Amino acid sequence: SQQGEEDPQALSIQEGENATMNCSYKTSINNLQWYRQNSGRGLVHLILIRSNEREKHSGRLRVTLDTSKKSSSLLITASRAADTASYFCATDETSYDKVIFGPGTSLSVIP
Amino acid sequence: DVKVTQSSRYLVKRTGEKVFLECVQDMDHENMFWYRQDPGLGLRLIYFSYDVKMKEKGDIPEGYSVSREKKERFSLILESASTNQTSMYLCASSLSRTGGNEKLFFGSGTQLSVL
Repeated sequence: SQQGEEDPQALSIQEGENATMNCSYKTSINNLQWYRQNSGRGLVHLILIRSNEREKHSGRLRVTLDTSKKSSSLLITASRAADTASYFCATDETSYDKVIFGPGTSLSVIP
Repeated sequence: DVKVTQSSRYLVKRTGEKVFLECVQDMDHENMFWYRQDPGLGLRLIYFSYDVKMKEKGDIPEGYSVSREKKERFSLILESASTNQTSMYLCASSLSRTGGNEKLFFGSGTQLSVL
């Protein structure tokens, strides 16, 4: 079963612009996490937001969570070429002891 | 920093072979996971383990088994490899399931090709 679904599938922006990616999920969750993956490598954890939190910041990253809409967004401000990567949301479901990933958003930041 | 090490970066096997993918973490994490990643499908959970000798099926366990004899090592076994198991395999670990320790640390992945 696929819990998280990212939107858009691919995003291309100019360096310096903001990038917004969205994630929707289907069931109740304990927390939602965002990860980054550079081409052909393992994933790196970016940020975790709990179900009782609405917004969280980490450097140029801002994550929001709306549990009523079962959705989250990841905003990367002032993007850089080095931000080019795939971004995944992952949900820790309350009903199951497992972390489920969405298909990801591929972000290209053009210098 | 936590290190999750996967034994091989690239692996080529033949159909019908038994394949072992090894994963070792060095930070005494309780939880370990095996995912496979395919283009357009994202990461899909194969098996996970929350304790030594304990295993739980993920979403796509068919054709796979796992072993966790020691806390730091989680092995994925393809009993009889098939071409549809050609994929990137990612191992991950986390400290615990609660208390802010749920974030996953990933290995670099093993690209397995079954010919």
